[in-house]
Amino acid sequence: ELKVEQNPLFLSMQEGKNYTIYCNYSTTSDRLYWYRQDPGKSLESLFVLLSNGAVKQEGRLMASLDTKARLSTLHITAAVHDLSATYFCAALMDSNYQLIWGAGTKLIIKP
Amino acid sequence: EPEVTQTPSHQVTQMGQEVILRCVPISNHLYFYWYRQILGQKVEFLVSFYNNEISEKSEIFDDQFSVERPDGSNFTLKIRSTKLEDSAMYFCASSGQGGGYTFGSGTRLTVV
Repeated sequence: ELKVEQNPLFLSMQEGKNYTIYCNYSTTSDRLYWYRQDPGKSLESLFVLLSNGAVKQEGRLMASLDTKARLSTLHITAAVHDLSATYFCAALMDSNYQLIWGAGTKLIIKP
Repeated sequence: EPEVTQTPSHQVTQMGQEVILRCVPISNHLYFYWYRQILGQKVEFLVSFYNNEISEKSEIFDDQFSVERPDGSNFTLKIRSTKLEDSAMYFCASSGQGGGYTFGSGTRLTVV
């Protein structure tokens, strides 16, 4: 059974700092997704990582995937207040294309 | 870019009533899904649908729930006799053969 664990679950940081959110998954997965969710809003797709060593960057966010370690990271560089949100990772089950979700990381960035 | 469209965006219903949440998946996608997110919690899988039938369902998806693809474009989730604990955001998603997901913007269901 595929399980996805995120940590930390809550992160409060100052603007300008760097930090990393970790996403571990328990069995083989073809794809790893990162989503952003603002309070009461829908899921905004950030990154889809398809292969070992994949790295994608968009602005101050960078995501990477290590399929051997079954680990994905979401790195925040020089955080700004607008990045405050909850970030979810989700791994795709190869057998039935179901997404298994992490619990989410609530990120608060203080000015 | 193709979108998954969900209606309504917000539905308020009385406990015990039936609701139908509607979704229009991306036209050339083959797999359709409903996920649920109770406020402040993680996203949970409800059901997947392929080739006009349910392919997987979770423990949450009990007899109270049903899905249908009535006309080849819409994909609906029906909740019979709603309970307070059914209050959540319901997301529809569709994917193609390779598993690329697209989510709708969600329907917020409030049961009072």
